[in-house]
Amino acid sequence: DQQVKQNSPSLSVQEGRISILNCDYTNSMFDYFLWYKKYPAEGPTFLISISSIKDKNEDGRFTVFLNKSAKHLSLHIVPSQPGDSAVYFCAASAIYNQGGKLIFGQGTELSVKP
Amino acid sequence: DSGVTQTPKHLITATGQRVTLRCSPRSGDLSVYWYQQSLDQGLQFLIQYYNGEERAKGNILERFSAQQFPDLHSELNLSSLELGDSALYFCASSVAIQSGRGNTIYFGEGSWLTVV
Repeated sequence: DQQVKQNSPSLSVQEGRISILNCDYTNSMFDYFLWYKKYPAEGPTFLISISSIKDKNEDGRFTVFLNKSAKHLSLHIVPSQPGDSAVYFCAASAIYNQGGKLIFGQGTELSVKP
Repeated sequence: DSGVTQTPKHLITATGQRVTLRCSPRSGDLSVYWYQQSLDQGLQFLIQYYNGEERAKGNILERFSAQQFPDLHSELNLSSLELGDSALYFCASSVAIQSGRGNTIYFGEGSWLTVV
């Protein structure tokens, strides 16, 4: 049962344009969501997070949007840079019911072309 | 550098064998998590320990076990290895028992296990 889904395995964007990565979840108990970025042969690196009490969180070029009614979140990167090319994982957590574990999506490989 | 250290970085072993993966969390972090990443499964949560005690369990096989020691380092033991166990195993750590509310989970670089 895949509770967190990233339906696009890959995304290609031109440098300077916006990258939009999407993530859907099924567990309504999730109340905290995170995005991680992963380069080959490295561990995932925390990027940005959002609590379920918010619908938007912004950090520089990265913005995460949360639509609780649709059980959907997205990561916007603008402007995209070649160094953003990596695999992006969304993750979700249900703090009070599932402790500290994160449930990850399958990942979306972003390629930003110069 | 996340501060989470995993050893070994690469490991090749035969089916039926047993291996131990080691993780040192970031200084001050009490929670340790283990994740498995295989080609077709993405990042799968295996198990979490907090201050030496098991806190949460995910898709961890009975052939696998883990523990967290008094010095907070953790080991993941994989036994009766099968070809399908070949994967990248990540350890992660965080300060508190629960993720969220600013309690970021930091990942190590992973241990590549190849079972032949």
